[in-house]
Amino acid sequence: SQQGEEDPQALSIQEGENATMNCSYKTSINNLQWYRQNSGRGLVHLILIRSNEREKHSGRLRVTLDTSKKSSSLLITASRAADTASYFCATVESNYQLIWGAGTKLIIKP
Amino acid sequence: GAGVSQSPRYKVAKRGQDVALRCDPISGHVSLFWYQQALGQGPEFLTYFQNEAQLDKSGLPSDRFFAERPEGSVSTLKIQRTQQEDSAVYLCASSGRTGGLKPQHFGDGTRLSIL
Repeated sequence: SQQGEEDPQALSIQEGENATMNCSYKTSINNLQWYRQNSGRGLVHLILIRSNEREKHSGRLRVTLDTSKKSSSLLITASRAADTASYFCATVESNYQLIWGAGTKLIIKP
Repeated sequence: GAGVSQSPRYKVAKRGQDVALRCDPISGHVSLFWYQQALGQGPEFLTYFQNEAQLDKSGLPSDRFFAERPEGSVSTLKIQRTQQEDSAVYLCASSGRTGGLKPQHFGDGTRLSIL
């Protein structure tokens, strides 16, 4: 079963613009992770935010977490063509199992 | 290569055949996970190993699915008497620490097509 729901399902923007994706989840979490998946490839870890953190930055990535609303957002600033991929959020409930959303498909137009 | 390696990358089998999918995790990684990913969907958990011990197999869809990691390194996911609904990408991931509290490192998956 999938816990998270990403919004939007698909996003198409011009290169250089910012891209924002949202993730909602259902139960209490230990941490929330964002991954990127290029077509035909495995998932690559981007950033992890713990349940007691509200915001985290990594390069052009900014993640926020609102545990009261059970939601998270991923912001990619100054998008590049290479950012074209699907983005997934995953929550950790137990001490090992990741529960995944259905992903947001991001297309960066040159 | 220091990453997770999966083989084969593509597998086509006829319905009813048995298949075996291999995963070589990052050397020294304790945790190993198998996921099934349908087209356009996120991964679905299948099973989890900590070293050679299979601690959770609750996600395996049926008793036709079997996974092993006998020496705590390489893992094999076996599907017996394959059916068309088994067609999917099978992803393997490993983690250097026990559990899901740390990022997982994924292979590129095996795309399984059952005819």
